[in-house]
Amino acid sequence: DAMVIQNPRYQVTQFGKPVTLSCSQTLNHNVMYWYQQKSSQAPKLLFHYYDKDFNNEADTPDNFQSRRPNTSFCFLDIRSPGLGDAAMYLCATSRGAFQAGQEEQFFGPGTRLTVL
Amino acid sequence: KNQVEQSPQSLIILEGKNCTLQCNYTVSPFSNLRWYKQDTGRGPVSLTIMTFSENTKSNGRYTATLDADTKQSSLHITASQLSDSASYICVVSATSGTYKYIFGTGTRLKVLA
Repeated sequence: DAMVIQNPRYQVTQFGKPVTLSCSQTLNHNVMYWYQQKSSQAPKLLFHYYDKDFNNEADTPDNFQSRRPNTSFCFLDIRSPGLGDAAMYLCATSRGAFQAGQEEQFFGPGTRLTVL
Repeated sequence: KNQVEQSPQSLIILEGKNCTLQCNYTVSPFSNLRWYKQDTGRGPVSLTIMTFSENTKSNGRYTATLDADTKQSSLHITASQLSDSASYICVVSATSGTYKYIFGTGTRLKVLA
């Protein structure tokens, strides 16, 4: 089945130790998003890619970086995780064929990050 | 400021009962509104999508309504099941030309046997 896949589902890292989360999609969608969701809060957009065009949200900390080496894969790098970065990280995609904001987003199952 | 507010924050109902969740938004200019179901520890899954001209849309036991004049939407769940226990998130997008979706904080529904 076409889907959005995130690995790992659970990630434990130490304070300050770099960590990379991965997302892959079989939907051949142009747009990929990374969201951070803390407990009982709405997902917060970190960045999105339209194809290879990277778009960073103004309030996304510099500690967060992203890479999209090809259409199918997108990575979230946290250079020096702090305790406040513990959260669920959601990857999503959308077709990118219509006007921005009008398309359905398809979400992966998320990666829950724990920082010790 | 673009905002989406949902109520109630949490809700407990008995299996078989109906319930209605509310979403109020101030997003402008409005493009469309989506309801998502998010099971604990999983990503959101789309239930319904409505544009400006749509008043109601159903997906099985889920029925969403939209009043674009009052900027309100509701999600009605009929004959609830234990598997309906989840968070329900209202997401509104604007025709602003950016890939930005405004998320509500969700309503956490618990269905008891």
